[in-house]
Amino acid sequence: DTGVSQDPRHKITKRGQNVTFRCDPISEHNRLYWYRQTLGQGPEFLTYFQNEAQLEKSRLLSDRFSAERPKGSFSTLEIQRTEQGDSAMYLCASSFVTSGIYEQYFGPGTRLTVT
Amino acid sequence: KNQVEQSPQSLIILEGKNCTLQCNYTVSPFSNLRWYKQDTGRGPVSLTIMTFSENTKSNGRYTATLDADTKQSSLHITASQLSDSASYICVVSAKGPTGSNYKLTFGKGTLLTVNP
Repeated sequence: DTGVSQDPRHKITKRGQNVTFRCDPISEHNRLYWYRQTLGQGPEFLTYFQNEAQLEKSRLLSDRFSAERPKGSFSTLEIQRTEQGDSAMYLCASSFVTSGIYEQYFGPGTRLTVT
Repeated sequence: KNQVEQSPQSLIILEGKNCTLQCNYTVSPFSNLRWYKQDTGRGPVSLTIMTFSENTKSNGRYTATLDADTKQSSLHITASQLSDSASYICVVSAKGPTGSNYKLTFGKGTLLTVNP
């Protein structure tokens, strides 16, 4: 499968624990995005990377959240001291940016449940 | 504030019937409008992308329209199939300060159920 992959697909954790999600973008895609989607809502932008540089972070990304893309390939999203309000689907997307309009390809998401 | 509103919130139709989903947006400056299909528990998959100058675009049984003057779009599904059951999300991209268009504003989606 050459699409965007995410791991794990599901994560159940207790409040206060730390969790880390991984996203593998489509090979050679230079941009990688993280979104959060709660039930009945559309995805909300969290952050994005151009290669290994994190260029923008949403206000939604509190200081408990950190994202990295160390070698400009895969990315990780870590949530520290999880809260019940963090329960959501975390989506990763990637695109190859040259100029003009470019498609964002989404992964299947990681569903986080904080108990 | 950039917003995308979709209607109806949910829709149930019989297999073989047509349907039309609506999207209104207040995103500025406008770059492009996209429709995505999202199956339950999966990531969104792009159906169409339209720029300011395009007022209709088709992808198989899906036809999207765009009226950039009234800031409205519709997605028409012809001869629906059971596999069309999904959430359909309208997404509008704004132009960034450097001309980039990565910032997507998502609607809440219309949940379509196609029954046999």
